Amino acid sequence: AQKITQTQPGMFVQEKEAVTLDCTYDTSDQSYGLFWYKQPSSGEMIFLIYQGSYDEQNATEGRYSLNFQKARKSANLVISASQLGDSAMYFCAMRDPHYGGSQGNLIFGKGTKLSVKP
Amino acid sequence: NAGVTQTPKFRILKIGQSMTLQCAQDMNHNYMYWYRQDPGMGLKLIYYSVGAGITDKGEVPNGYNVSRSTTEDFPLRLELAAPSQTSVYFCASSYETGPEKLFFGSGTQLSVL
Repeated sequence: AQKITQTQPGMFVQEKEAVTLDCTYDTSDQSYGLFWYKQPSSGEMIFLIYQGSYDEQNATEGRYSLNFQKARKSANLVISASQLGDSAMYFCAMRDPHYGGSQGNLIFGKGTKLSVKP
Repeated sequence: NAGVTQTPKFRILKIGQSMTLQCAQDMNHNYMYWYRQDPGMGLKLIYYSVGAGITDKGEVPNGYNVSRSTTEDFPLRLELAAPSQTSVYFCASSYETGPEKLFFGSGTQLSVL
Protein backbone atom coordinates (compact mmCIF):
# COMPACT_ATOMS: atom_id res chain seq x y z
CA ALA A 1 0.00 0.00 0.00
CA GLN A 2 1.05 3.53 -0.65
CA LYS A 3 2.45 5.55 2.22
CA ILE A 4 3.66 9.12 2.64
CA THR A 5 6.04 10.13 5.43
CA GLN A 6 6.77 13.68 6.49
CA THR A 7 9.24 13.61 9.37
CA GLN A 8 9.36 17.33 10.18
CA PRO A 9 6.38 18.35 12.35
CA GLY A 10 7.54 21.96 12.32
CA MET A 11 10.12 24.11 10.57
CA PHE A 12 11.31 27.68 10.97
CA VAL A 13 12.87 29.75 8.21
CA GLN A 14 14.02 33.33 8.02
CA GLU A 15 12.20 35.54 5.55
CA LYS A 16 13.88 35.59 2.12
CA GLU A 17 15.78 32.36 2.75
CA ALA A 18 15.11 29.03 1.06
CA VAL A 19 13.64 26.06 2.90
CA THR A 20 13.27 22.37 2.09
CA LEU A 21 10.36 20.32 3.37
CA ASP A 22 10.98 16.58 3.36
CA CYS A 23 8.72 13.91 1.96
CA THR A 24 9.39 10.24 1.42
CA TYR A 25 6.98 7.79 -0.10
CA ASP A 26 6.47 4.10 -0.48
CA THR A 27 4.80 2.43 -3.42
CA SER A 28 5.17 -0.66 -5.53
CA ASP A 29 3.62 1.01 -8.57
CA GLN A 30 5.80 2.09 -11.48
CA SER A 31 3.50 4.94 -12.45
CA TYR A 32 2.51 7.38 -9.75
CA GLY A 33 2.06 11.05 -9.05
CA LEU A 34 3.23 13.19 -6.16
CA PHE A 35 1.59 16.41 -4.99
CA TRP A 36 2.23 19.16 -2.51
CA TYR A 37 -0.58 21.16 -0.96
CA LYS A 38 -0.48 24.22 1.28
CA GLN A 39 -2.99 24.74 4.08
CA PRO A 40 -2.91 28.25 5.58
CA SER A 41 -4.49 28.98 8.94
CA SER A 42 -7.72 29.82 7.12
CA GLY A 43 -8.03 26.09 6.42
CA GLU A 44 -8.36 25.74 2.66
CA MET A 45 -6.15 23.32 0.74
CA ILE A 46 -4.16 24.95 -2.04
CA PHE A 47 -2.46 22.91 -4.76
CA LEU A 48 1.21 23.87 -5.18
CA ILE A 49 3.02 21.45 -7.44
CA TYR A 50 2.81 18.05 -9.12
CA GLN A 51 5.50 15.53 -10.16
CA GLY A 52 4.81 12.47 -12.27
CA SER A 53 7.01 9.44 -11.75
CA TYR A 54 8.06 9.43 -15.40
CA ASP A 55 8.80 13.15 -15.55
CA GLU A 56 12.49 13.55 -16.24
CA GLN A 57 12.70 17.11 -15.04
CA ASN A 58 11.97 18.26 -11.52
CA ALA A 59 8.70 20.17 -11.39
CA THR A 60 8.81 23.91 -10.77
CA GLU A 61 6.02 26.42 -10.14
CA GLY A 62 7.26 29.92 -9.44
CA ARG A 63 9.09 29.86 -6.08
CA TYR A 64 8.21 26.21 -5.55
CA SER A 65 10.26 23.34 -6.87
CA LEU A 66 10.14 19.64 -6.21
CA ASN A 67 13.41 17.82 -5.62
CA PHE A 68 12.42 14.40 -6.96
CA GLN A 69 14.84 11.55 -6.23
CA LYS A 70 13.16 8.44 -7.49
CA ALA A 71 15.75 5.92 -6.30
CA ARG A 72 15.53 7.31 -2.78
CA LYS A 73 11.73 7.65 -3.01
CA SER A 74 11.84 11.22 -1.91
CA ALA A 75 9.93 14.24 -3.18
CA ASN A 76 11.07 17.24 -1.17
CA LEU A 77 9.48 20.63 -1.64
CA VAL A 78 11.85 23.58 -1.94
CA ILE A 79 10.51 27.07 -1.36
CA SER A 80 12.88 29.79 -2.45
CA ALA A 81 12.91 33.34 -1.07
CA SER A 82 10.45 32.61 1.75
CA GLN A 83 7.73 35.14 2.43
CA LEU A 84 5.66 35.72 5.57
CA GLY A 85 2.64 34.46 3.65
CA ASP A 86 4.32 31.09 3.25
CA SER A 87 3.63 30.33 6.92
CA ALA A 88 1.24 27.37 6.75
CA MET A 89 0.91 23.60 6.94
CA TYR A 90 2.36 21.77 3.95
CA PHE A 91 1.16 18.33 2.93
CA CYS A 92 2.83 15.87 0.62
CA ALA A 93 0.44 13.48 -1.12
CA MET A 94 0.38 10.72 -3.69
CA ARG A 95 -2.32 8.95 -5.59
CA ASP A 96 -3.60 5.61 -4.33
CA PRO A 97 -5.25 3.78 -7.23
CA HIS A 98 -7.14 1.46 -4.89
CA TYR A 99 -9.74 4.16 -4.23
CA GLY A 100 -11.02 7.08 -6.20
CA GLY A 101 -11.60 5.51 -9.58
CA SER A 102 -9.08 6.02 -12.35
CA GLN A 103 -8.07 9.32 -10.81
CA GLY A 104 -7.21 7.69 -7.54
CA ASN A 105 -7.56 8.80 -3.99
CA LEU A 106 -4.87 11.11 -2.62
CA ILE A 107 -2.98 9.75 0.38
CA PHE A 108 -1.61 12.54 2.54
CA GLY A 109 1.29 12.74 4.94
CA LYS A 110 0.80 14.27 8.39
CA GLY A 111 2.13 17.60 7.25
CA THR A 112 4.87 20.05 8.20
CA LYS A 113 4.08 23.36 9.84
CA LEU A 114 6.29 26.05 8.33
CA SER A 115 6.78 29.32 10.19
CA VAL A 116 8.52 32.19 8.41
CA LYS A 117 10.26 34.65 10.72
CA PRO A 118 10.59 38.34 9.76
CA ASN B 1 -15.66 31.74 -10.40
CA ALA B 2 -16.88 30.01 -7.21
CA GLY B 3 -15.01 26.68 -7.61
CA VAL B 4 -16.00 24.26 -4.83
CA THR B 5 -18.47 25.60 -2.28
CA GLN B 6 -19.11 23.91 1.06
CA THR B 7 -21.76 24.73 3.61
CA PRO B 8 -21.92 25.15 6.54
CA LYS B 9 -18.46 26.33 7.66
CA PHE B 10 -19.03 25.37 11.28
CA ARG B 11 -21.51 23.10 13.03
CA ILE B 12 -21.97 21.62 16.47
CA LEU B 13 -24.03 18.46 16.75
CA LYS B 14 -25.24 16.46 19.70
CA ILE B 15 -24.55 12.74 19.80
CA GLY B 16 -27.15 10.90 17.77
CA GLN B 17 -28.19 13.85 15.64
CA SER B 18 -27.99 13.78 11.85
CA MET B 19 -26.95 16.38 9.34
CA THR B 20 -26.00 16.88 5.72
CA LEU B 21 -22.86 18.68 4.60
CA GLN B 22 -23.42 20.36 1.27
CA CYS B 23 -20.88 20.54 -1.55
CA ALA B 24 -21.29 22.10 -4.96
CA GLN B 25 -18.84 22.75 -7.78
CA ASP B 26 -19.30 24.86 -10.89
CA MET B 27 -16.36 23.55 -12.93
CA ASN B 28 -18.25 20.65 -14.56
CA HIS B 29 -15.92 18.14 -12.91
CA ASN B 30 -17.04 14.55 -12.99
CA TYR B 31 -14.87 13.49 -10.04
CA MET B 32 -15.83 14.57 -6.53
CA TYR B 33 -14.50 13.53 -3.13
CA TRP B 34 -15.18 13.87 0.56
CA TYR B 35 -12.21 13.89 2.94
CA ARG B 36 -11.94 14.30 6.68
CA GLN B 37 -8.98 15.81 8.49
CA ASP B 38 -8.44 14.95 12.13
CA PRO B 39 -6.23 17.21 14.27
CA GLY B 40 -2.54 16.94 13.38
CA MET B 41 -3.22 14.52 10.56
CA GLY B 42 -3.48 14.48 6.81
CA LEU B 43 -6.73 13.99 4.96
CA LYS B 44 -8.48 10.65 4.62
CA LEU B 45 -11.00 9.76 1.92
CA ILE B 46 -14.55 9.06 3.05
CA TYR B 47 -16.45 8.66 -0.23
CA TYR B 48 -15.93 9.59 -3.83
CA SER B 49 -17.93 9.83 -7.04
CA VAL B 50 -16.81 9.48 -10.65
CA GLY B 51 -20.00 10.94 -12.07
CA ALA B 52 -23.67 11.57 -11.46
CA GLY B 53 -25.33 8.45 -10.07
CA ILE B 54 -22.02 6.73 -9.23
CA THR B 55 -20.50 6.71 -5.76
CA ASP B 56 -18.09 4.45 -3.91
CA LYS B 57 -16.47 4.06 -0.52
CA GLY B 58 -13.08 5.43 0.40
CA GLU B 59 -10.86 4.55 3.34
CA VAL B 60 -13.14 5.65 6.18
CA PRO B 61 -16.81 5.41 5.05
CA ASN B 62 -18.44 4.10 8.24
CA GLY B 63 -21.09 6.42 9.63
CA TYR B 64 -21.51 8.37 6.39
CA ASN B 65 -23.61 8.26 3.25
CA VAL B 66 -23.45 10.16 -0.01
CA SER B 67 -25.52 10.70 -3.11
CA ARG B 68 -24.75 12.25 -6.48
CA SER B 69 -27.89 13.11 -8.38
CA THR B 70 -26.26 15.89 -10.42
CA THR B 71 -22.76 16.66 -11.66
CA GLU B 72 -22.64 19.78 -9.51
CA ASP B 73 -23.70 18.50 -6.08
CA PHE B 74 -22.23 15.88 -3.77
CA PRO B 75 -23.78 16.02 -0.28
CA LEU B 76 -22.39 14.02 2.65
CA ARG B 77 -24.87 12.68 5.19
CA LEU B 78 -23.98 11.90 8.79
CA GLU B 79 -26.46 9.62 10.49
CA LEU B 80 -26.38 9.20 14.29
CA ALA B 81 -23.43 11.52 14.87
CA ALA B 82 -20.68 10.27 17.22
CA PRO B 83 -17.79 12.11 18.92
CA SER B 84 -15.38 10.20 16.65
CA GLN B 85 -16.82 12.19 13.73
CA THR B 86 -15.52 15.45 15.16
CA SER B 87 -13.26 16.59 12.35
CA VAL B 88 -12.81 19.05 9.53
CA TYR B 89 -14.50 17.89 6.34
CA PHE B 90 -13.29 18.82 2.89
CA CYS B 91 -15.05 18.37 -0.39
CA ALA B 92 -12.93 18.31 -3.55
CA SER B 93 -13.34 17.85 -7.27
CA SER B 94 -11.06 17.14 -10.19
CA TYR B 95 -10.84 16.85 -13.96
CA GLU B 96 -10.94 13.42 -15.54
CA THR B 97 -7.60 13.77 -17.24
CA GLY B 98 -4.36 15.65 -16.73
CA PRO B 99 -2.32 15.79 -13.54
CA GLU B 100 -5.52 15.26 -11.58
CA LYS B 101 -5.09 18.29 -9.40
CA LEU B 102 -7.82 18.41 -6.77
CA PHE B 103 -9.74 21.61 -6.17
CA PHE B 104 -10.81 21.84 -2.54
CA GLY B 105 -13.63 23.61 -0.79
CA SER B 106 -12.88 25.71 2.30
CA GLY B 107 -13.91 22.98 4.72
CA THR B 108 -16.58 22.37 7.37
CA GLN B 109 -15.51 22.21 10.99
CA LEU B 110 -17.82 19.77 12.77
CA SER B 111 -17.91 19.08 16.50
CA VAL B 112 -20.02 16.29 17.98
CA LEU B 113 -20.61 16.71 21.70
